[in-house]
Amino acid sequence: QQQVKQSPQSLIVQKGGIPIINCAYENTAFDYFPWYQQFPGKGPALLIAIRPDVSEKKEGRFTISFNKSAKQFSLHIMDSQPGDSATYFCAASKNSGYALNFGKGTSLLVTP
Amino acid sequence: GAVVSQHPSRVICKSGTSVKIECRSLDFQATTMFWYRQFPKQSLMLMATSNEGSKATYEQGVEKDKFLINHASLTLSTLTVTSAHPEDSSFYICSANELASQETQYFGPGTRLLVL
Repeated sequence: QQQVKQSPQSLIVQKGGIPIINCAYENTAFDYFPWYQQFPGKGPALLIAIRPDVSEKKEGRFTISFNKSAKQFSLHIMDSQPGDSATYFCAASKNSGYALNFGKGTSLLVTP
Repeated sequence: GAVVSQHPSRVICKSGTSVKIECRSLDFQATTMFWYRQFPKQSLMLMATSNEGSKATYEQGVEKDKFLINHASLTLSTLTVTSAHPEDSSFYICSANELASQETQYFGPGTRLLVL
């Protein structure tokens, strides 16, 4: 059973655009929500993470928006670049020290 | 940031043989390491949670006798795929939580296993 639902499955934007990836969860015990970026043949790399006590977190060009009442969170990539083309996974866990429940991933392509 | 390494990065073996994959935290100690499996164009699926000095906890549907996990020290966990078959071909990725902060889970670069 997929505990974290992610959409869209794939996304194409032009350079400079702002791709938005959405995730939803059901388990209210989740309190740690990271986003990972994965390039082909590589392991996932942490981009940014948020906890439910804040509604937004920004690190560089990456922003997480969190809606606790709706049990949804999203990743925005500002001023996207072709180098951002990768697969992005949202995840959730009961605590940062617990195993992660991953979404199915979003394949992002940023065209020049 | 903290670094997690895996060895080997890729392995090809014959059906019926056993393969050992190592996961090391290079610059931090980890009481807990996780093993994931990822099929092409799919998400990461948790296989087991490995705790230093104790038995691993396996997810439902993962055969503990087939995927042997050993976490002998705070910096090393191993996954042994016993009697590998072609359906075990996959991308195996480990991750580790830093003992001190428990804040971030760091992932290794993954091991590509191909069983012929």
